[in-house]
Amino acid sequence: DTGVSQDPRHKITKRGQNVTFRCDPISEHNRLYWYRQTLGQGPEFLTYFQNEAQLEKSRLLSDRFSAERPKGSFSTLEIQRTEQGDSAMYLCASSSPGNTEAFFGQGTRLTVV
Amino acid sequence: AQKITQTQPGMFVQEKEAVTLDCTYDTSDQSYGLFWYKQPSSGEMIFLIYQGSYDEQNATEGRYSLNFQKARKSANLVISASQLGDSAMYFCAMREAYASGGSYIPTFGRGTSLIVHP
Repeated sequence: DTGVSQDPRHKITKRGQNVTFRCDPISEHNRLYWYRQTLGQGPEFLTYFQNEAQLEKSRLLSDRFSAERPKGSFSTLEIQRTEQGDSAMYLCASSSPGNTEAFFGQGTRLTVV
Repeated sequence: AQKITQTQPGMFVQEKEAVTLDCTYDTSDQSYGLFWYKQPSSGEMIFLIYQGSYDEQNATEGRYSLNFQKARKSANLVISASQLGDSAMYFCAMREAYASGGSYIPTFGRGTSLIVHP
């Protein structure tokens, strides 16, 4: 499978715990995006990487959220001290300079109880 | 202000009929792109079709076509010959001017839920 891969697919955590999600983009794609999607809404942009550089961050990305892409390949999104409002689908997408569209993974569904 | 507006929360269509999903957008850029994605219950966003602001022809991809009316700032998706597997959420998205590093960041609407009846 050469698509965008996200792990885990589902995560249930207790409020206050830290969680980390992983995204493996399509191998030749140097651009990587994280989005968050809540019920009844479209995806909302969180952050963007070009290679290993984090070039854009949304105001939605509070100081409890951190994202990395250390070698310009896979990326991780960490949420510290989770809150119930963090419950959402977290989507990762990637693209290359030759693409007009971004390709999405299947998402990680986070439930904070 | 909403960049992308999808006014139809839900749409129903009979199998084999055509359906139009509405999308209007707001931008002051001259160069922009419009996308439609499909999101089945599994959660993955599937790219369907793209229209560039300078493209004179309406985009088509198989059973999907994009009715692009630039002056009205609308980019409606037309699905012909609906199939049961078309039941899903559909999102309109727009890319505007380049973000840092020469890329863009797509902005999405709230989506339309399409249900295809047998």
